[in-house]
Amino acid sequence: SQQGEEDPQALSIQEGENATMNCSYKTSINNLQWYRQNSGRGLVHLILIRSNEREKHSGRLRVTLDTSKKSSSLLITASRAADTASYFCATDGTGYSTLTFGKGTMLLVSP
Amino acid sequence: EAGVAQSPRYKIIEKRQSVAFWCNPISGHATLYWYQQILGQGPKLLIQFQNNGVVDDSQLPKDRFSAERLKGVDSTLKIQPAKLEDSAVYLCASNGQGDSYEQYFGPGTRLTVT
Repeated sequence: SQQGEEDPQALSIQEGENATMNCSYKTSINNLQWYRQNSGRGLVHLILIRSNEREKHSGRLRVTLDTSKKSSSLLITASRAADTASYFCATDGTGYSTLTFGKGTMLLVSP
Repeated sequence: EAGVAQSPRYKIIEKRQSVAFWCNPISGHATLYWYQQILGQGPKLLIQFQNNGVVDDSQLPKDRFSAERLKGVDSTLKIQPAKLEDSAVYLCASNGQGDSYEQYFGPGTRLTVT
């Protein structure tokens, strides 16, 4: 079963705009990760946030975590066409380094 | 540093046939994962190895799927016999100590069962 659920399922924006994706999960976690998947390729790790952290930044990425609401958000600022991809959140609550992925948000950034 | 290697990249078989996928993780990575990703969904863990031992295979359909990681390095995943619902991308990932649980993924094998 999927632990995380991303929202929205699909998002279409113009270059330069910000993109926000949300993830909700069901059980307690140690950390939450975000991954990106370009069409036809494997997943690439973007950022990890631990359960005792509330916000984390990496370049144009900003991740927040609210453990009381069991939710996280990923913000991509000043988006580029190259950001077009599917974005997945993954949680590790089930055990040693085992990840459970959500269904993903498909982001389309138009030039 | 070389990434996770997988082969083949694509495979088309008929139902009831068998198929095998190969994965070579990043050198030195002790943990290896096999995921199944059905179109439109996120990856689902099939099996996790720590060196050559199985850590988690609770979601592996053991009546038709098998996996091994001899010598704790590369791994093979086999399906026998294949069903139509096995059509998916099979992803291999690895991570090593000190990576804070970040997983490194290979490009995947796209399997089509007709």
